[in-house]
Amino acid sequence: DVKVTQSSRYLVKRTGEKVFLECVQDMDHENMFWYRQDPGLGLRLIYFSYDVKMKEKGDIPEGYSVSREKKERFSLILESASTNQTSMYLCASSRTGGGGELFFGEGSRLTVL
Amino acid sequence: KQEVTQIPAALSVPEGENLVLNCSFTDSAIYNLQWFRQDPGKGLTSLLLIQSSQREQTSGRLNASLDKSSGRSTLYIAASQPGDSATYLCAANTGNQFYFGTGTSLTVIP
Repeated sequence: DVKVTQSSRYLVKRTGEKVFLECVQDMDHENMFWYRQDPGLGLRLIYFSYDVKMKEKGDIPEGYSVSREKKERFSLILESASTNQTSMYLCASSRTGGGGELFFGEGSRLTVL
Repeated sequence: KQEVTQIPAALSVPEGENLVLNCSFTDSAIYNLQWFRQDPGKGLTSLLLIQSSQREQTSGRLNASLDKSSGRSTLYIAASQPGDSATYLCAANTGNQFYFGTGTSLTVIP
């Protein structure tokens, strides 16, 4: 069974803390994505990566960075968490090129106090 | 930029009813259209994927159709059950990018 695994389902952090969200996929996919999902705003793309060490900004990259050192792992980093980053974070992966199916992890609910 | 719209935003139906969820997109140059289900507090689960060369896909009680020329896709759910209650999202794939609708929240009343 194909899988995208997010390391933490629930996190509570304080303002100013550094936060790491980890995502691992076992499908040998080239593309990996980080989205955040907020009520009324839908899914918004933060960053995506189409290969190891490659990254592209999405629609809302401010306040976030990413790391992709291995093909199967894509990390989202909040350098200094703020309350407006309280959200559901969703990782996804797909094979490269058009026509690939998108697979999601279970999500990480982050609360910043 | 591709824009994806889902109407209605919410739908409530009695158990056993057949129903149709709608998804429209502005740019017909897509590789595929994918339907997802999302339960509260969870990630998205893929239901059906329709490639641009296909007209429809079926899985159990679910049937999804695609009309690229008109920029529309529909998800048909037959004989709805309370367990079908969830939010349903569609996504248009334009290559390495996916564009999502904001979803239809479905409630099936026993």
